[in-house]
Order: sequence, then C-alpha cells, then structure tokens
Amino acid sequence: ILNVEQSPQSLHVQEGDSTNFTCSFPSSNFYALHWYRWETAKSPEALFVMTLNGDEKKKGRISATLNTKEGYSYLYIKGSQPEDSATYLCAFEHSGGSNYKLTFGKGTLLTVNP
Amino acid sequence: EAGVVQSPRYKIIEKKQPVAFWCNPISGHNTLYWYLQNLGQGPELLIRYENEEAVDDSQLPKDRFSAERLKGVDSTLKIQPAELGDSAVYLCASSLWPGSAKIFGPGTRLTVL
Repeated sequence: ILNVEQSPQSLHVQEGDSTNFTCSFPSSNFYALHWYRWETAKSPEALFVMTLNGDEKKKGRISATLNTKEGYSYLYIKGSQPEDSATYLCAFEHSGGSNYKLTFGKGTLLTVNP
Repeated sequence: EAGVVQSPRYKIIEKKQPVAFWCNPISGHNTLYWYLQNLGQGPELLIRYENEEAVDDSQLPKDRFSAERLKGVDSTLKIQPAELGDSAVYLCASSLWPGSAKIFGPGTRLTVL
C-alpha cells in the first residue's frame, strides 16, 4: 500500500499571508507528482505535473518544488487571496512496467479569510 | 473546448436501487479513469481504460460495480444494487498519456438513503 501524506490537514490564513503545504511520497518507482486545486462543487483543477528531481514550477502566485530522492514536494502560495480557498491535493504517479497508478493524498483544506 | 463532462451532478437513491453515471472525456484523450472520493479522503482509482480496454480494474468491487467504455469514448459506471456505504463523489478523468495532467470532471455526488 502506497502512502501519500499531506500536511497540514487544514489551514486558516489571513488575506495577504504566504503559506505552504507539504506532500510526502514513496521515493521508489517515481514517475510524476501532480498538484490539484479543488474548489467545492467544481472539478479538481490541475496545477502542476512534476517529473524531474529538483523541478520548480510556477503559476502566478503559486509555485511548487520537487525532491524525488527524499520523497517530498512543497506547494507555496504567495500573498493568499480569498479565491485561493480550496482543497489542495497532491498525487504520486508511479510506474510498474506499463502500468501507471495515481495515488492521492487526503488534501490540505485552505481557508483564506478576507 | 468543453472539459470532462459528467452527469448527473447529484443523485439521491434508496439502498438496493441501481444507479448509473456517465462521463464524456476530453476529445482525443485515450485514457479514462473513474475515481471514488469519500469524505475526508483523497480520490481512489476504481478503473482505468486505455481506449475501450479496461487495463486496471483491480479496485473495482465487481460484485456490484460495472463499467463500460464502448467505442473508446464515453463511459458509464453502474452500481447495482447500491448500498449505504456507496455514498460518495464519483469522479471521471481523462489524460493524453501517463504523466500528463489528468483532467477531471465535476463529479457525481451520490447519496444512498
């Protein structure tokens, strides 16, 4: 059973604060690490797909880093806004032969107070 | 272009009744996934299709769940009969290839009474 752990489970911040979340995953059979943002009643939105150790990706005020050797990824949000409130999911994609599996963490629920 | 389309968005049924969910993936995406998301948990894979072939259905409870993807495009997931514990969000996703972003639909929220 693969374990993908996310922390914290939930987070409340004030508008303008910067914040970050952690995703830890197994370091073997790594293929890709995915980050999603999921707002209530909407589709999970793909933020990043990261495949290389040391990868850093950025999308507006959101950025992510990847360390495949030690099995963790950080997601950073700079200057949080109320519209950033959502559940942030990470998913570890691993390969076994021709079979690729995506295992999700439980997510971090972010609430940004105006 | 429309994203992944799912219907219905919400469904309320009584236990022991059958229910079906429909998914239309992104045009050109050969890989289609059905995920189950229980409250407070991350989505869990039920079945993965490559075109019309189910290549991973190891997590699908085959005594009551079935799925099909005729012609390798739309897919239907069925539960018969539904149990109380089946109340969850059922998500459909599609992708171009392994490692590319999985594009999710809005999900179907099922409530079994």
